[in-house]
Parts: sequence; structure tokens; C-alpha cells
Amino acid sequence: QVQLQESGPGLVKPSQTLSLTCTVSGGSISSGSYYWSWIRQPAGKGLEWIGRIYTSGSTNYNPSLKSRVTISVDTSKNQFSLKLSSVTAADTAVYYCARDQVVAGFDYWGQGTLVTVSS
Amino acid sequence: QSALTQPASVSGSPGQSITISCTGTSSDVGGYNYVSWYQQHPGKAPKLMIYEVSNRPSGVSNRFSGSKSGNTASLTISGLQAEDEADYYCSSYTSSSTLDWVFGGGTKLTVL
Repeated sequence: QVQLQESGPGLVKPSQTLSLTCTVSGGSISSGSYYWSWIRQPAGKGLEWIGRIYTSGSTNYNPSLKSRVTISVDTSKNQFSLKLSSVTAADTAVYYCARDQVVAGFDYWGQGTLVTVSS
Repeated sequence: QSALTQPASVSGSPGQSITISCTGTSSDVGGYNYVSWYQQHPGKAPKLMIYEVSNRPSGVSNRFSGSKSGNTASLTISGLQAEDEADYYCSSYTSSSTLDWVFGGGTKLTVL
């Protein structure tokens, strides 16, 4: 059973960079034809896809966030990571990592981690 | 990038059937058979309920079904049960710009 777990600071100051890591267990991040995605959800609001990475390192990002987002992968640690720069209060949300079945949706999700942007 | 359009809320009584719509464009819902549906209970991560318009992952009840007509996809839940009360989100692959996935705004299902 594949499991994903987000980790990182729960509080980030405005203008700084948000950094989160997703650790995948129960299977190799490199096995199968999967992408690995980040999705976020502000309190009381809907889901927003941030971007995804393939284990080759190929990435795609939401155009609305593209200038501030970097997603990377470390196959040796079975992890992928998110960096979001120049954060503001609008970036306060629960951040989820998920396994992306290319076109068949997100079948495994982390439990989510709340990141608050505040001074 | 505009989100897909879902009704804010729907409701039904136990045993009844309800349908949640998800309207997009020819660049997403109408252009691909890559619509997914997610169920989210409060404080929990979303759960994949339907993928590729009408396919159910292993373990998902056959009370959940999906369909699509033109630019609108639909999720139908039959035989409503109390545990179905949750938020439901649709998602579609999209060819708009470089965006790969777009979500709907979500629908709150209340079981009366």
C-alpha cells in the first residue's frame, strides 16, 4: 500500500520561501508510469493543482503559480519536494502531495499539512 | 485558468439518488475522457471515487457512477447513505496553456 507524508514548516513569513517534502513509502517513487503532484486547499475553499513532476525530472506547473514554484525529486530518498517563493497570506493553505496517474486522477494522497503565512 | 463549475450544494434523503454536475469547456471536460471525482470529508484528504469519466477504483461502492455529455460531466450517487455526506470535487485534464489539471469549486452534499 502506497503512503505519502508531507513534512515541513507550518509557519512561513511573508516574502520568504515555503518548502515542503513528500516522502513516499510502500513502493518506489520510480516504479510505474506515475507523476507526483502537489495540490493545495485554502481553509473553506476548493482544491488547486500546483504542479507535478515525473521521476525523469520533467515538470509541469499551474501557470498562475509558475513564476514562484519549483518541484524537484530525489529518487534515492523516495521523496519529492515543493518550493514556493515570495509567499503572501494568500498562500496559506493545507498542502497535499499525491500520486498522479497521468490522466486517471490522483489515487493516493498524503494527509495534508497546514502552512500558514504570517509574520 | 477558470475552475470547472459545480453547484455549491445538493441534498437528498437516505435511499434517494442525487447528481452533481461539473461544467467545463472543450479544452478540458469536453475535450478529453479524463474527468475524475473526489470525495472529501471534513479534515480529511480527498479520496478518488471516479476516474476517466466513469471508472471506479477498487473498493469504491457501485452506488457511485460517472458520465459525461459534451462539456458537462456528472457524478450520480444512488441509495444515499449518511456517510456520503461530504464535499465532492470534479477534476479534468486540460490542454489550456500548460496547465495539466483543473478542479471544480466543489459541491457540499447534505444527506437530510
